[in-house]
Amino acid sequence: KNQVEQSPQSLIILEGKNCTLQCNYTVSPFSNLRWYKQDTGRGPVSLTIMTFSENTKSNGRYTATLDADTKQSSLHITASQLSDSASYICVVMTTDSWGKFQFGAGTQVVVTP
Amino acid sequence: NAGVTQTPKFQVLKTGQSMTLQCAQDMNHEYMSWYRQDPGMGLRLIHYSVGAGITDQGEVPNGYNVSRSTTEDFPLRLLSAAPSQTSVYFCASSYRRERQETQYFGPGTRLLVL
Repeated sequence: KNQVEQSPQSLIILEGKNCTLQCNYTVSPFSNLRWYKQDTGRGPVSLTIMTFSENTKSNGRYTATLDADTKQSSLHITASQLSDSASYICVVMTTDSWGKFQFGAGTQVVVTP
Repeated sequence: NAGVTQTPKFQVLKTGQSMTLQCAQDMNHEYMSWYRQDPGMGLRLIHYSVGAGITDQGEVPNGYNVSRSTTEDFPLRLLSAAPSQTSVYFCASSYRRERQETQYFGPGTRLLVL
């Protein structure tokens, strides 16, 4: 069973609208949580990295939240643009072995005009 | 500064053939890793290296070999290709000093094994 679950699997939104993606994880011991954006045919690109003590982190129109107590994170996209069409991947890093990441399967976002 | 580069971009192999996927980075990163990405699944770690001469197995290492003779290069070898190895392969690198360091991914190699 994947230790990082993302929802929804996919969504379609109109250009200019907002959306929120969810990530629930069971990975422990927790070090940090990352959100990546992956355009079709390309490698993932880092959006945010949050540690245990951080609740919110923004990167332009992307805002990530983290609740380490409930092991939940969300990624909010504000005023979506066509270029936001991509897969968004939630990744959790543990403290017990450097560099070991658990990847979610991703949420596919399609922004339509 | 090219970042992380991978070659080839696409490859078709027959079952039993061997090949090497190349990965290079020009950022002087200590940490490099190889992942495979399959439909509906998260990226899975194949092998990783924390510095030249040091490699270790990840989650799905069977059928793959790696070596790290220089800081810049981290090739992935498929010993005897199988259809189950059809996937998209990504190489990634980062500084090792802090756990919060950004990880940079290459553009990927798409492999089809017939």
